[in-house]
Amino acid sequence: DTAVSQTPKYLVTQMGNDKSIKCEQNLGHDTMYWYKQDSKKFLKIMFSYNNKELIINETVPNRFSPKSPDKAHLNLHINSLELGDSAVYFCASSQPNRDEQYFGPGTRLTVT
Amino acid sequence: AQKVTQAQTEISVVEKEDVTLDCVYETRDTTYYLFWYKQPPSGELVFLIRRNSFDEQNEISGRYSWNFQKSTSSFNFTITASQVVDSAVYFCALSEVTIQTDSWGKLQFGAGTQVVVTP
Repeated sequence: DTAVSQTPKYLVTQMGNDKSIKCEQNLGHDTMYWYKQDSKKFLKIMFSYNNKELIINETVPNRFSPKSPDKAHLNLHINSLELGDSAVYFCASSQPNRDEQYFGPGTRLTVT
Repeated sequence: AQKVTQAQTEISVVEKEDVTLDCVYETRDTTYYLFWYKQPPSGELVFLIRRNSFDEQNEISGRYSWNFQKSTSSFNFTITASQVVDSAVYFCALSEVTIQTDSWGKLQFGAGTQVVVTP
């Protein structure tokens, strides 16, 4: 029983394409997040949703659009993919913001 | 500006040696949380510990121990008698809880420290 799951685990695509990454959590948490880990392993938050409402939106190109159909799901759609979007994207969830965040296994996106 | 600094990029040790990972943070909040996460070669992020700013007690969990010192804004992590399975990147992170700082709820990670334990 995976607590936070992401699909796909690997995604290889060409520049200019549009792709989506899905995230689901079965922990009953109210808050979900997307983080990006670059090639140097640096982790940075992109978005956060609390009960389907966007609460954190970092300086991310508007080609990235999160969507939360319900509080157990937070998907990430990326339009017009660029080489620089290649990274590992992690989904996470937590109970009210102070608690530890549980991370999904990550999605390695490679843009060629 | 970087809020969490992990000055050690990589530490190499031989099995059974102790290793200490430094973490220095910066915040104006009086209430905040500090975390350590482990990222083994398989890539997942594993939660290790959370500490709130009002609790300066050191903590020990098996071979892991943490030293939190508000006076020096540090939250250091020691692995005692290291093992090959400890080889991973370890991240320190800060979560500020004041809404006004616009940092509410997000983990701000340090750059990570790669620990390599050789047999």
